[in-house]
Amino acid sequence: GIQVEQSPPDLILQEGANSTLRCNFSDSVNNLQWFHQNPWGQLINLFYIPSGTKQNGRLSATTVATERYSLLYISSSQTTDSGVYFCAVPNFGNEKLTFGTGTRLTIIP
Amino acid sequence: KAGVTQTPRYLIKTRGQQVTLSCSPISGHRSVSWYQQTPGQGLQFLFEYFSETQRNKGNFPGRFSGRQFSNSRSEMNVSTLELGDSALYLCASSWYNNEQFFGPGTRLTVL
Repeated sequence: GIQVEQSPPDLILQEGANSTLRCNFSDSVNNLQWFHQNPWGQLINLFYIPSGTKQNGRLSATTVATERYSLLYISSSQTTDSGVYFCAVPNFGNEKLTFGTGTRLTIIP
Repeated sequence: KAGVTQTPRYLIKTRGQQVTLSCSPISGHRSVSWYQQTPGQGLQFLFEYFSETQRNKGNFPGRFSGRQFSNSRSEMNVSTLELGDSALYLCASSWYNNEQFFGPGTRLTVL
């Protein structure tokens, strides 16, 4: 099956800093999702981005499907951005999502 | 629109017991998927239901089962609980092959 890798595994930044999280996948995909897992465990949808670039406030994401990677950018980090960020891709033709191992982001005041 | 709901939110069981978890999808969504999250294995796919039929199944033993009702609500059942079944169980719903939305999860502790 498809393999998904995320980097870096951990990231510690000062409040106000910018960050870039990367997601590599091993096969062609027809969509990709980014999630933020909150402290209570719920996965919050950030982006549904099979290709191209999308922006939502301080967050943006870019997927380059032909090169099999996606990037999540967080600008002007706030402490509420702390948590684990996951990317996930579906197996072709079905709903099963394969998740990366996540990036744990810690924003220090 | 209401989001995906899961009940109960927390459960404590002992080894050998069985447990049933419930998931109500977003209105209009017909696909429901279940995932298990543990510190050691990360997020792993359990199974997916669409229109009351199991379409996909992950690599989990037969103790893990599920079903979907005509109103798209889904339940998963774990029989003969083991300590290793302690995990966060997440349910997701989607409209056919589209963006998936997750519920708040059920945290199961097996003692």
